[in-house]
Amino acid sequence: GAVVSQHPSRVICKSGTSVKIECRSLDFQATTMFWYRQFPKQSLMLMATSNEGSKATYEQGVEKDKFLINHASLTLSTLTVTSAHPEDSSFYICSASGGSGNTIYFGEGSWLTVV
Amino acid sequence: DAKTTQPTSMDCAEGRAANLPCNHSTISGNEYVYWYRQIHSQGPQYIIHGLKNNETNEMASLIITEDRKSSTLILPHATLRDTAVYYCIVRDNQAGTALIFGKGTTLSVSS
Repeated sequence: GAVVSQHPSRVICKSGTSVKIECRSLDFQATTMFWYRQFPKQSLMLMATSNEGSKATYEQGVEKDKFLINHASLTLSTLTVTSAHPEDSSFYICSASGGSGNTIYFGEGSWLTVV
Repeated sequence: DAKTTQPTSMDCAEGRAANLPCNHSTISGNEYVYWYRQIHSQGPQYIIHGLKNNETNEMASLIITEDRKSSTLILPHATLRDTAVYYCIVRDNQAGTALIFGKGTTLSVSS
């Protein structure tokens, strides 16, 4: 299947700082990318949908000013967690659509720990 | 909200077939049935999807009932590495449509 890569896989940041997570589609052009968050022992929760060159659409309850999403090219989307707090510690996962048959493929995920 | 219902957990012996059921009684005509799995601390892995015909690939088989209200994912010879949470999701095939995850089925394969 198509390959989606995330970086970094793990990051620790201090409370109040910002951290950026990158999501790349390596072998196809992703017209749409999705960002999810997953807390321990829970399922994935959709945060936002981003289309290349336009503003992201956020799910209800997700603060757009806190979770900045940029999808500047057909192979790269970034999620920036601004002014991070310990409660933002979670597993963040991106996915991309646009390959054959519009199947969605996921990145490896990024563990964020805010201390 | 997820539009599918799956058992919370299932057990399977290594080497045997694992049959994972999914109910999606409110599926609409343009929605596909997708299966993904998530091994602990990794991103979900695509397994298979189908609209109304049965599908098979190198990982699994997908059996969809004629009325499309339920389906079964079959792993023909389960291995220990198939232990994961399996998600059944209905989704239309438009590029901008996200996958909405339910709680899935935790499959435990033991030797």
